[in-house]
Amino acid sequence: SQQGEEDPQALSIQEGENATMNCSYKTSINNLQWYRQNSGRGLVHLILIRSNEREKHSGRLRVTLDTSKKSSSLLITASRAADTASYFCAYGGAAGNKLTFGGGTRVLVKP
Amino acid sequence: AAGVIQSPRHLIKEKRETATLKCYPIPRHDTVYWYQQGPGQDPQFLISFYEKMQSDKGSIPDRFSAQQFSDYHSELNMSSLELGDSALYFCASSSTGIFSGNTIYFGEGSWLTVV
Repeated sequence: SQQGEEDPQALSIQEGENATMNCSYKTSINNLQWYRQNSGRGLVHLILIRSNEREKHSGRLRVTLDTSKKSSSLLITASRAADTASYFCAYGGAAGNKLTFGGGTRVLVKP
Repeated sequence: AAGVIQSPRHLIKEKRETATLKCYPIPRHDTVYWYQQGPGQDPQFLISFYEKMQSDKGSIPDRFSAQQFSDYHSELNMSSLELGDSALYFCASSSTGIFSGNTIYFGEGSWLTVV
């Protein structure tokens, strides 16, 4: 994606391991949101982190944001086979503004 | 909790035909967005509406148009369909209210196949 990037593009891990994926962007943002997408399905909202926040947790998810580096990371701890999906970061400006999506990371969790 | 509702879920059209996708946002959400996701690609922003007025426009072809109605549902109209229009089309909605956090919620998407 020319607007932002995610790495790695694909990740294969064993159940119980942690999965980390990174997102970089190029513009000033108001917030950054992470989504999960199972193959051909809808985008499920995971977590939103605002530009004045550095870290946020939700269950087994941990998101960090470094606005000086224009980057964010998503950590999934103790992964499960059900976590197999594509994960996208998406970032936006002020309330009501569109989100721009990063490239997505395909995560495969092997049982 | 109510989610974003899209219809139809699957649609097959021939080249040069017209297709209309419908979206019902989450109640009391004031902003609707349309995105297009081609196979293996990121979702790409097409167009958005705030309080029934177009608020932003992305890479939407001139053959496509959209509107938001008085009941806040939105429709995406696609004419002169081309094979390359085959994609998953998402509608999303959000609330710009001060306590909303601006989380954007997506529907399950409408699969359009042009043959």
